[in-house]
Amino acid sequence: QQPVQSPQAVILREGEDAVINCSSSKALYSVHWYRQKHGEAPVFLMILLKGGEQKGHDKISASFNEKKQQSSLYLTASQLSYSGTYFCGPQETSGSRLTFGEGTQLTVNP
Amino acid sequence: NAGVTQTPKFQVLKTGQSMTLQCAQDMNHNSMYWYRQDPGMGLRLIYYSASEGTTDKGEVPNGYNVSRLNKREFSLRLESAAPSQTSVYFCASRSGFYEKLFFGSGTQLSVL
Repeated sequence: QQPVQSPQAVILREGEDAVINCSSSKALYSVHWYRQKHGEAPVFLMILLKGGEQKGHDKISASFNEKKQQSSLYLTASQLSYSGTYFCGPQETSGSRLTFGEGTQLTVNP
Repeated sequence: NAGVTQTPKFQVLKTGQSMTLQCAQDMNHNSMYWYRQDPGMGLRLIYYSASEGTTDKGEVPNGYNVSRLNKREFSLRLESAAPSQTSVYFCASRSGFYEKLFFGSGTQLSVL
C-alpha cells in the first residue's frame, strides 16, 4: 500500500509557509523526502531516522513520529525555487524496499 | 563522476515489441531500484535489488523482468510492450537501506 501524502497540491505566494504530511500503515525505520522539478529526476532533501528527530535543510525542515508512522515537511518563507513535487518515502523496518507517496505539487508564485 | 546512468533517454516502441532499459552506477552501491512515473501517480516501485544476486518485486512488477548483472548494472526488460507501459522510468541506487537514493535522469518510453 502506497504511503498517503496530503495535500495533493498547494499554491503559495512567495514568503508563505506550507506543511506536507505523510503517513504509512507500516512500522517505519526512517522517512525520506525528495523534491522533483518538472522534467527532472527527484533530488534528495533529507532522511529522518527513528527517535522523532527533526532535520533542516535551509528553510525546509521535517519531523518524524515513528509511533504514529507519520512525517511532516515544513517549508517556511517559501521561495520561487521551492516549486516542484515533493515525495515522501517511508522506509519500513526490514529490507531495502522503498516506496513513495503520490506526491504533493507545490507552486510558489511571486 | 557519472553517478547513475540510464540508457536510452527516449524510446518509442510498437505494441508487442521487446526492449531492455539499462542502468549502471559507479558508486559501488549495494541496492538498486526501478521506478515508473505516470502523471498523478507518483513514483511506483517496479523491482529492486537489495544486493548483487538478489531481486524482489515491487508494487507493479507485472509485464517486467529484471537482471542484476553485477554490482554496477541493473537492467529492466519489457518482453512484450503494451501501451499501459508508456511512462517515465527511473533507476536509482544507494549504498544501504539507511542511505539516500541517487536517481538516474530517466527514460521516456512511449508504446504505440
